[in-house]
Amino acid sequence: DTEVTQTPKHLVMGMTNKKSLKCEQHMGHRAMYWYKQKAKKPPELMFVYSYEKLSINESVPSRFSPECPNSSLLNLHLHALQPEDSALYLCASSQEYSNYNEQFFGPGTRLTVL
Amino acid sequence: GEDVEQSLFLSVREGDSSVINCTYTDSSSTYLYWYKQEPGAGLQLLTYIFSNMDMKQDQRLTVLLNKKDKHLSLRIADTQTGDSAIYFCAEILFSSGSARQLTFGSGTQLTVLP
Repeated sequence: DTEVTQTPKHLVMGMTNKKSLKCEQHMGHRAMYWYKQKAKKPPELMFVYSYEKLSINESVPSRFSPECPNSSLLNLHLHALQPEDSALYLCASSQEYSNYNEQFFGPGTRLTVL
Repeated sequence: GEDVEQSLFLSVREGDSSVINCTYTDSSSTYLYWYKQEPGAGLQLLTYIFSNMDMKQDQRLTVLLNKKDKHLSLRIADTQTGDSAIYFCAEILFSSGSARQLTFGSGTQLTVLP
């Protein structure tokens, strides 16, 4: 299994809703990432987990709450989002001591906040 | 943070070569990458180059690295309509254990005309 999966593929939510995005990988990677990507823009790093511990938080608003329940799973809990949070949310993973430090990306969740 | 710059658009005729350029600012980067993103999809690693290399060729792809000028380019030979996508160059900004923080360029939209 050499892929990163993300669910759901699409999500529409209101500003008062609570929802979660899910990411899974079974490649034994010990680092997992959340990125936010607006249309025609590069991905922006949000969070990095290394060995299930949060190692980087890029000053992301508290309405985004990451969780890494085990080494294969990464969640992003969403609450009280704003319309400007509508974007493609990408998950990625990487392994330790790889030959070229590749990050493997999932297909993303397209989030629309109404 | 460091800035990685790319031109925004490139159009080529099918069968011609495409050259996508990138300038980066962190001279300590060990790896530089080219990612491809098709509409509605995640990022796919196309190729990478280690900082002690000047050139790397992989089938239709040729990567050139000029460390003195901090300039990276991706040449796609015999460009096909399936190559139409956004291409991002990226460098590693931070690396600790499993975690790798990538800085992406702004992305170049490649359009291949029939």
